[in-house]
Amino acid sequence: GAVVSQHPSWVICKSGTSVKIECRSLDFQATTMFWYRQFPKQSLMLMATSNEGSKATYEQGVEKDKFLINHASLTLSTLTVTSAHPEDSSFYICSARDEGYTGNTEAFFGQGTRLTVV
Amino acid sequence: KQEVTQIPAALSVPEGENLVLNCSFTDSAIYNLQWFRQDPGKGLTSLLLIQSSQREQTSGRLNASLDKSSGRSTLYIAASQPGDSATYLCAVDNDYKLSFGAGTTVTVRA
Repeated sequence: GAVVSQHPSWVICKSGTSVKIECRSLDFQATTMFWYRQFPKQSLMLMATSNEGSKATYEQGVEKDKFLINHASLTLSTLTVTSAHPEDSSFYICSARDEGYTGNTEAFFGQGTRLTVV
Repeated sequence: KQEVTQIPAALSVPEGENLVLNCSFTDSAIYNLQWFRQDPGKGLTSLLLIQSSQREQTSGRLNASLDKSSGRSTLYIAASQPGDSATYLCAVDNDYKLSFGAGTTVTVRA
């Protein structure tokens, strides 16, 4: 299947600082990427839909000023957690679909990023 | 809003036993349903994708069925192995967005 690479796989940062997470589609182009958050032993919650060349669409309850999303190219989306606080500690995962084939709607996921804010 | 439920939440079986994982969803107007595997602290690995027009998909020891009208999907894993130990998530695609269940954590005992 298609490959989605996410970096870093884990990061520890101090409270009040910002952290950037990258999501790349390695062997396909993706006009749309998705960012999820996962709490321990819970399911994935969609945070926002990242659209290449335009503003991201955020789900209800997600602060767009805290979770900045940039989708500058067809293979790269970034999520920046601004002014991070301990409650932002979580597992963040990105996803993309290979849109090169009509009807191919399989979603592929990155390895995830474990963010710990101390 | 789509609600996805997975039962059971956890399952422990001896090696060689067949596994049956259940997924139910409330809105049957779906594009497709996808089953994933997640190892601790890792991302998701896609196992099977069933389009809304399909009834089942098979890959090796895995078989997934879909009954869209009743809002159910079942993942069967034949002849389980210790390496099958993981959390299995089902996700339903509505309007290009995935809604996930909380997962079934499987432990296969050697």
